[in-house]
Amino acid sequence: EVQLVESGGVVVQPGGSLRLSCAASGFSFDEYNMHWVRQAPGKGLEWVSLIRWDDSGIYYADSVKGRFTISRDNNRNSLYLQMNSLIPADTGFYYCARADKWIHVTDHWGQGTLVTVSS
Amino acid sequence: DIVLTQSPGTLSLSPGERATLSCRASQRVSSSYLAWYQQTPGQAPRLLIYGASSRATGIPDRFSGSGSGTDFTLTISRLEPEDFAVYYCHQYGSSPRTFGQGTRLEIK
Repeated sequence: EVQLVESGGVVVQPGGSLRLSCAASGFSFDEYNMHWVRQAPGKGLEWVSLIRWDDSGIYYADSVKGRFTISRDNNRNSLYLQMNSLIPADTGFYYCARADKWIHVTDHWGQGTLVTVSS
Repeated sequence: DIVLTQSPGTLSLSPGERATLSCRASQRVSSSYLAWYQQTPGQAPRLLIYGASSRATGIPDRFSGSGSGTDFTLTISRLEPEDFAVYYCHQYGSSPRTFGQGTRLEIK
């Protein structure tokens, strides 16, 4: 069974930093592109970042470029999101999701971890 | 960026009825890289349709997708109680990937 389990979400002050993790199991992690997608409470979905299966490409939404860094460890079947210079607009649920490297669509998502940026 | 506009914002129907949800893109969606997701309260989005018309694994055949270019449709042929949820369209052919604002399907 495919499982994606996010962790690391907490309450943090504006300007602070946070590292999210996503533990993957039930599939060959190193064969899939991985994404972070976020959702502010009661709002819609916003794509955040993509890292290709072999680290050959990394992409960010303009809203997080220069502040967030995506990375992966294929030996640990883990995905990460380092979040710096956090602002209240970064508040929301952060989902990790996998995407087949040929079909490209995100077909399995974790349950999300809640990040709250507030003083 | 490709802006996806979903209509209607809210759709009120009864179980057994047919639902038609629309997604219009501000630019052509390349290679029909258009997906539909269902989200129920407190849950992660669930992939229903990808490539505009291909059903994801395990999705009942009452769900179907159609369209190309800039106009796409999700149809639910006969609504079941568990189908009342929020539906998002999503284009993954151009960077940045974008989502529609969602259509809420509620019980009439």
